[in-house]
Parts: sequence; C-alpha cells; structure tokens
Amino acid sequence: DIQLTQSPTFLSASVGDRVTITCRASQGISNFVAWYQQKPGKAPKFLIYDVSILQSGVPSRFSGSGSGTEFTLTISSLQPEDFATYYCQQLNSYPFTFGPGTKVDIK
Amino acid sequence: QVHLVQSGAEVKKPGASVKISCKASGYTFTTYYMHWVRQAPGQGPEWLAMINPSGDITTYSQKFQVRITVTRDTSTSTVYMELSSLRSGDTAVYYCARGGVITFGGVVVKRWIDYWGQGTLVTVSS
Repeated sequence: DIQLTQSPTFLSASVGDRVTITCRASQGISNFVAWYQQKPGKAPKFLIYDVSILQSGVPSRFSGSGSGTEFTLTISSLQPEDFATYYCQQLNSYPFTFGPGTKVDIK
Repeated sequence: QVHLVQSGAEVKKPGASVKISCKASGYTFTTYYMHWVRQAPGQGPEWLAMINPSGDITTYSQKFQVRITVTRDTSTSTVYMELSSLRSGDTAVYYCARGGVITFGGVVVKRWIDYWGQGTLVTVSS
C-alpha cells in the first residue's frame, strides 16, 4: 500500500494567515492526489483533485500543487470557516489511502 | 443536487455482519462509481472498496477482501456494503461517496471522489 504522511500534524494560525500543508507519498502517485476538509461530526468535504483542480464552489484561496511524491495544499488567507482538519488522499493505486490529517486550529 | 442518504446507526456483536445502504439521487446513477470509506473514532479516513458504474466490477482493499461485499441495485439507485465477521476494531463511521473518472485511450487520467453520504455509525460491542 502507498503510505501518505502529512506535515505538520497540528497547525495553529490566525485569520488572514497563509497556511501550507504538505503531503508526502511513499512512492510516486502521478497526479492522483485529492484534498478534503473535515469538521467535527461531518463527512469530509471535497476540495481539490488532480493535484490542483478546485471542486466547483471551493473558494479560490485554496490551491494545490506538487508532483511525484510531494504535494501541498495552500490556503492563501485563512478564514474563520477554514479551521478544520485537512486530509490528502492518493487515488493512483488500490487501496486509495488517506493521510493522517492536519488539524488547523485558531491561534 | 446530489444526495447520498445512508441507513441508520447499527450496534452489532462481535462475529456478526452489518449491511449498510446508500441511496443516491440528483444525478445519473449508472454513470458514477460508488466508494466506501470508514473512519474510526479520532482517526483518519480509510478506503474500503468501490463499485463501478455498471455494477459488475467491485474493487476491495486487500485488508477487507475476504469479509466485504458491495452491491448496487440500479432500479432503486441504491448501493449496499456488507461487512462480516465484525470485531471491535470495526467500530467506525462508514461513508458512501460518489466517484468519477476521466479516461483517455482506455486509461484513467483523472479520478475523484466528490459527494459523501452523511455516514453510518457502526458500533461493535459484546
């Protein structure tokens, strides 16, 4: 199975901050990376697929980049509704594994 | 709009089986995959399985291969996931989620999982 790691595990930030989350894969996963946002008690919300393509309705302050085994999710200006846990997922090979998550909390 | 509505919470004893349903609406059921993902308390999501749009091909995580079955009923736009030989470690929220692909020359070049059900809590306890 492809293992995903995320850094940092926990991030404390303020409204307006630029935030970057990194996802690293144990082997190359081409462009098959997706990102999700999850709030407590809710299903994950789909944000980005194919490294950098934003799902319809996702604010443009979210962006994705990367290649090969290292990928990033960036929030250009953190908003109050962005405080949540973020997961990356690889859809390159079965099973479609998820990263362990990065919790973004209010400083 | 797309909706995935799952069946209600279940409490099962170790060794039992659970079958969860996921009823889809708001889109053409036979043109999208359906994935199953679970999330144990305080943990990240874990992908379990998927079924293709026509319902004739299922792909399972090897970890669950021997005890998971996913089926779909096109007449009711419903997908089912059955997990057998339950143990306490299977306690989790189980989600169905719609998936799509773009292919080129028969090769998948883009894949995504977009809409998720509300989740079904399965508790395994003696």
